[in-house]
Amino acid sequence: GAVVSQHPSWVICKSGTSVKIECRSLDFQATTMFWYRQFPKQSLMLMATSNEGSKATYEQGVEKDKFLINHASLTLSTLTVTSAHPEDSSFYICSARTAGEGGYTFGSGTRLTVV
Amino acid sequence: AQSVSQHNHHVILSEAASLELGCNYSYGGTVNLFWYVQYPGQHLQLLLKYFSGDPLVKGIKGFEAEFIKSKFSFNLRKPSVQWSDTAEYFCAVSGGYNKLIFGAGTRLAVHP
Repeated sequence: GAVVSQHPSWVICKSGTSVKIECRSLDFQATTMFWYRQFPKQSLMLMATSNEGSKATYEQGVEKDKFLINHASLTLSTLTVTSAHPEDSSFYICSARTAGEGGYTFGSGTRLTVV
Repeated sequence: AQSVSQHNHHVILSEAASLELGCNYSYGGTVNLFWYVQYPGQHLQLLLKYFSGDPLVKGIKGFEAEFIKSKFSFNLRKPSVQWSDTAEYFCAVSGGYNKLIFGAGTRLAVHP
């Protein structure tokens, strides 16, 4: 089945630095990917829709300049958390729409801790 | 814009009890509906989905859900829960632009 590989699985960074999270579709082409964040014991909140070759579409309230999304190829989307602060600490998950049975395939997530 | 509402935030049951978790959505067009489960410390797992056809959908681990279009509902059911069903359950809806929107989740605790 369709697999989405997300890296890193966890990262710790200092306040003020930037962190890049990668999401790759391994055996299919993903023209659209989605980025979510999940706070502890809460639901997945859609941050943005990543479109190959064009600008991402951000959900209301999500800072475009803080969460930079790049979808330069049909198999890779990246999320860069710029000038990270402790309140950005969260679990970030990517997802791709698939034509298969599941409808959507999720990455394994990245736990970001900003210290 | 689409939205999803899960009525029960926290449910506690004894083993063998029946389960029904409510899910209502708001969207004017055709929707695809999903239930996901997240076990403690693990990632999302698809329980079942509805795209079209028979509104009664059977999923894995004995779960089923019924799509009632007139009520904009997609409730999850299981006749007899087990301790291993302790997890968080998320209803999700995909409508316009293929965005998958999640409900707030229901935390289920099953006591032996």
